[in-house]
Amino acid sequence: DGGITQSPKYLFRKEGQNVTLSCEQNLNHDAMYWYRQDPGQGLRLIYYSQIVNDFQKGDIAEGYSVSREKKESFPLTVTSAQKNPTAFYLCASSIGSGTLSNQPQHFGDGTRLSIL
Amino acid sequence: GQQVMQIPQYQHVQEGEDFTTYCNSSTTLSNIQWYKQRPGGHPVFLIQLVKSGEVKKQKRLTFQFGEAKKNSSLHITATQTTDVGTYFCAGRVPSGSARQLTFGSGTQLTVLP
Repeated sequence: DGGITQSPKYLFRKEGQNVTLSCEQNLNHDAMYWYRQDPGQGLRLIYYSQIVNDFQKGDIAEGYSVSREKKESFPLTVTSAQKNPTAFYLCASSIGSGTLSNQPQHFGDGTRLSIL
Repeated sequence: GQQVMQIPQYQHVQEGEDFTTYCNSSTTLSNIQWYKQRPGGHPVFLIQLVKSGEVKKQKRLTFQFGEAKKNSSLHITATQTTDVGTYFCAGRVPSGSARQLTFGSGTQLTVLP
């Protein structure tokens, strides 16, 4: 079955600690995305990548970093500079060729990050 | 930045009643997508509308894109308990600097049996 795998499902971070959220897809999609979801709010775009070795900041990139060394993988690091990291983080992918905003996005099951 | 407003934020209905959620933008959208997120789950793509005045149906769900491409609606006829979840719209301004979709805040639907 093709899909997007996010791990871990739950993650706890200590103050001043960096943590990395994993996102792997086997859909052969070129584009991948990271969103943050807070209670009662929509999804806000953190970073996106249209192809390997390239990524762009979204609306709320401060305090986050990403890499895209492989087509299948798009890990997100929540750095200590992110002062309010408690949220539900969703990774998504889409086909990638053409206009990204016209493409349906496929989402993983998410990682819930909490501060200890 | 681009704002996509969605109302209502919450809606409780009795099973069998109809439900509608509305999505509004102050600027013209190039397209609108709708997603459903079940409680504890992840968003799942439902449909995309591109043309002015477009109407699409999926069984009991009817999606509309306004003539001015600034608003959209999702209407569910005769709701069932399986319709429970949060419905999000997402759209993009065609000529803006943002290249990606902006999601509305969602409408959380509760269906009472």
